[in-house]
Amino acid sequence: QSVLTQPPSASGTPGQRVTISCSGSSSNIGSNYVYWYQQLPGTAPKLLIYRNNQRPSGVPDRFSGSKSGTSASLAISGLRSEDEADYYCAAWDDSLKVFGGGTKLTVL
Amino acid sequence: QVQLVQSGAEVKKPGASVKVSCKASGYTFTSYGISWVRQAPGQGLEWMGWISAYNGNTNYAQKLQGRVTMTTDTSTSTAYMELRSLRSDDTAVYYCARVARMYGMDVWGQGTTVTVSS
Repeated sequence: QSVLTQPPSASGTPGQRVTISCSGSSSNIGSNYVYWYQQLPGTAPKLLIYRNNQRPSGVPDRFSGSKSGTSASLAISGLRSEDEADYYCAAWDDSLKVFGGGTKLTVL
Repeated sequence: QVQLVQSGAEVKKPGASVKVSCKASGYTFTSYGISWVRQAPGQGLEWMGWISAYNGNTNYAQKLQGRVTMTTDTSTSTAYMELRSLRSDDTAVYYCARVARMYGMDVWGQGTTVTVSS
């Protein structure tokens, strides 16, 4: 059981906007930054969002992050087939890093 | 370019130890930390711990305390993760990741598969 809670799956059609939620508590999301990682099949995770809503260079602006209280969300607009992947949220919790269980995004 | 290259796959028997290496290049090794994350087959990501490449300070996940040791060799810009008393549920892909103060885990190694089987 993960400390951060994500829906196990999400789906959308090309061009659609999808959101993935991540729920935590006051000791993690409520008091620390949230990070999002994308893991394409058979590859290492890749940093997608840092410090709640910042994109590293090279990450398309179709990806955006937000945080409110003890929850966070990742939004993907203009969905593309190559966005089909697993997405993980993460945050620090009392000097330990915790991950969500991951959300498998399917592009229909 | 910034890169983390990990050692090759390992097969170990229960009770044995494994030591995975992670060689950094393309940046100043001692200016960042290294985290280790593992992923059991078909499962999510699990954070194992972190080491500062600057001063060797470590922080381990509670469930691995006493079985894991993370070290660095600044002369070769290499980080190591040793896991002892291996069990079948330690079978996983083990990743190292560079830790930047602002960006978090921003560069990842390619992963090392560790299989624990009798």
